Amino acid sequence: AQTVTQSQPEMSVQEAETVTLSCTYDTSESDYYLFWYKQPPSRQMILVIRQEAYKQQNATENRFSVNFQKAAKSFSLKISDSQLGDAAMYFCAYRSFNTDKLIFGTGTRLQVFP
Amino acid sequence: AAGVIQSPRHLIKEKRETATLKCYPIPRHDTVYWYQQGPGQDPQFLISFYEKMQSDKGSIPDRFSAQQFSDYHSELNMSSLELGDSALYFCASSGGTGRYEQYFGPGTRLTVT
Repeated sequence: AQTVTQSQPEMSVQEAETVTLSCTYDTSESDYYLFWYKQPPSRQMILVIRQEAYKQQNATENRFSVNFQKAAKSFSLKISDSQLGDAAMYFCAYRSFNTDKLIFGTGTRLQVFP
Repeated sequence: AAGVIQSPRHLIKEKRETATLKCYPIPRHDTVYWYQQGPGQDPQFLISFYEKMQSDKGSIPDRFSAQQFSDYHSELNMSSLELGDSALYFCASSGGTGRYEQYFGPGTRLTVT
């Protein structure tokens, strides 16, 4: 069974600085998808960025980028130029190629200080 | 852009009662997913439907059932509610070229007293 591990329960960053959230996963599959979701205090789950395992190029969405290391089964999220609105719980998620369910990590709570 | 709609947003029920949660996917999305998020926990997959057929099943209790209708909306029916069913229930949808991306609704907060 696949598992997702987020080893940082909490992180903090100063506004305008850069922060990296860690995620590792365990799988024996070669084809899968990885995601980062943001859950602000409103509890809405917002898709931040996605990565297909077959793509070597790291995904980027504006200030958000990932460092995908397939061999190491690592999928970290880098947030550049952090903003107060980035404060939220961030979940890393795994999806097998042939199933529907997302398997989430336990989340990392990010605080952003002015 | 249109998002996933869930209703009601809040629901309070007593033990042993039943509850029905509704989900309206993003237009032209044909797949819906249901997740349960307990307090301080990550979301847990319950069940999913593609083109009105169940496509995957997770840790959904036997007391729960769900279906997807011809207009692609979905309903999650929960019977014999227990205190432990108190949680945030998310519906997500996907479809088209971004089939593997799941977009979540705002959730229904269910409180069982």
